[in-house]
Amino acid sequence: DIQMTQSPSSLSASVGDRVTITCRASQTISTYVNWYQQKPGKAPKLLIYATSSLQTGVPARFSGSGSRTDFTLTISSLQPEDFATYYCQQSSSTPYTFGQGTKLEIK
Amino acid sequence: EVQLLESGGGLVQPGGSLRLSCAASGFTFSSYAMSWVRQAPGKGLEWVSTISGGGGDTYDADSVKGRFTISRDNAKKTLSLQVNSLRADDTAVYYCARRGNSWYSFDYWGQGTLVTVSS
Repeated sequence: DIQMTQSPSSLSASVGDRVTITCRASQTISTYVNWYQQKPGKAPKLLIYATSSLQTGVPARFSGSGSRTDFTLTISSLQPEDFATYYCQQSSSTPYTFGQGTKLEIK
Repeated sequence: EVQLLESGGGLVQPGGSLRLSCAASGFTFSSYAMSWVRQAPGKGLEWVSTISGGGGDTYDADSVKGRFTISRDNAKKTLSLQVNSLRADDTAVYYCARRGNSWYSFDYWGQGTLVTVSS
């Protein structure tokens, strides 16, 4: 199985900050990485697919990059509605696996 | 507008069974693989099962293999998950999710249905 190691597990930041979350795969997965945002009591929402493609309707302050085993999600200027938990996920092969999550909190 | 609406969750005793359902609308259901993803209370996301658009191929996590069965009825636009031999660690919110066709992301999710396994 492909393990996805996400860091940090939690992060405190302020509105307007630039934030980066990283995800490392246990083996090369090309660009089959996706990123999700989840708010308390809600279903996850797809932000980025195929490493760097922005899902329709997602603000351009979200971006993704990486390849092979190392991937990042960047939020260029945090907005109040961005405080949530973020998950990476590999879709290269089953079992599809998620990172442990990064809880982004207000400083 | 894509909509996925789960139902069927509830409280069940260890060893018991449930059938979860997901009603889909707003897209050509048979053209997409569908999945179940679960989340234990306070924990992260765990992929459970995926079924191809035609229903002929299924994939399951090792943790549920032999106990859970994913199926679909394309005429009724409904996805199902039969969950048997339930254990306490199966307690979770179960989400129905559409798998995108190109890069296999989960591009749309339902609101989830809670399964609680307890005596």
